[in-house]
Formats: sequence, C-alpha cells, structure tokens
Amino acid sequence: TQLLEQSPQFLSIQEGENLTVYCNSSSVFSSLQWYRQEPGEGPVLLVTVVTGGEVKKLKRLTFQFGDARKDSSLHITAAQPGDTGLYLCAGPYNFNKFYFGSGTKLNVKP
Amino acid sequence: DTAVSQTPKYLVTQMGNDKSIKCEQNLGHDTMYWYKQDSKKFLKIMFSYNNKELIINETVPNRFSPKSPDKAHLNLHINSLELGDSAVYFCASSQGTNTDTQYFGPGTRLTVL
Repeated sequence: TQLLEQSPQFLSIQEGENLTVYCNSSSVFSSLQWYRQEPGEGPVLLVTVVTGGEVKKLKRLTFQFGDARKDSSLHITAAQPGDTGLYLCAGPYNFNKFYFGSGTKLNVKP
Repeated sequence: DTAVSQTPKYLVTQMGNDKSIKCEQNLGHDTMYWYKQDSKKFLKIMFSYNNKELIINETVPNRFSPKSPDKAHLNLHINSLELGDSAVYFCASSQGTNTDTQYFGPGTRLTVL
C-alpha cells in the first residue's frame, strides 16, 4: 500500500464539467503539496497546504487540507482541455523524506 | 533560462552497460534529488543531497551511485543496467529541506534492452 493514496486513478471528462481528486493517508502530514505533470515534463508545484482545514484557491482550482491533516482534495470547476495532466499529491514524512501519491490522470475532452 | 536541466533526455542501452545521467540547477538551491518514475507513474525518491552531502538514500541497489561535484550538480551513475531499471528519472532541487517547493527537471527516459 502507498503512503498517499489518490482517487480516482483515471478521470476522463468533458470540457466544462467539475471534478474532485482525493489524496488520503492513514498518517498525519505537516503539509501536503499538489503537483501537475504534463507528458514529457517534470511535475510542477500548484500549491502547498499547511494548516488543517485550510482552503486555497488558484483560479478554477480549489485545494483543501483535511482537519486532521491526513487528507487533501483538489476540486476543478469548469474543467478545460488545458487542465489535462497527471495530478500528484506529495508530502514530507519522516525526517527529510518526501513521498508522492499514486497519481490521478485527468483527461479533459473538448 | 532552464532552472533544472538533465542530460540526456532519452537513453537507450543494453543490459549490463554502465551509464550516467547529468543534472544541473541554476537556482542557487542547496538541496537536490533524484526520483524514479515507473510505468505506472509512481514517483519515488532515490537520493537527496544537501550542500553536496548525501542526506537521503532510499532502498536503492548499490549499482546506483549519485555524485555531487558541487551544489549545482547532482549526477547519477548506474552500473550493470538491468531491464527493471527502465523508467523515467527526474532530478529536482529545492532551496532547503524537502518541505520547500521542489523544481523538477524534464526527466530522462531510460530504456534498457
């Protein structure tokens, strides 16, 4: 089992639809980060959430950190084809170790 | 200017060969990392260096040897390549510890035949 489990694994939707991606763990994290990775490129940081219950917005993307700091969600409103990519949650665990989630592959069809 | 660069972008080689991947960052960061991303897109940390000193060494075969000649470079040398080494290898850097934003290179796709 992964330290950070993401769901769903795959998501294919039409442009304009809303979606939510989940990142869950049985462990507490001091912070969690969300990255987006496009084909042939490295992951790029979208946001870092630090405080339990925190909500951050980045244009049409809304990120939430669970109250217990064991989970996080990413909600996209009115998805666009440019949102297509692999979404990864990640966080520090144990001293100096950084773990990535299992990933959610999003495809937004025009 | 490219922040984190890796060479080569693609590497195709035979089993048993030795190969190196180079990484350079021009961000002035203190910490650099090597990650391996498998065919299922799972990204796993391999090594982490802070100011040229090894601080993380995950359960990686000792055929993999990182080398940091200076703070801006972290190279990865792989001996006796095996089929299971085929993956995309990413270099990354951050200002401080791994709680900081990590900036990733474009990746090196290694294929072992």
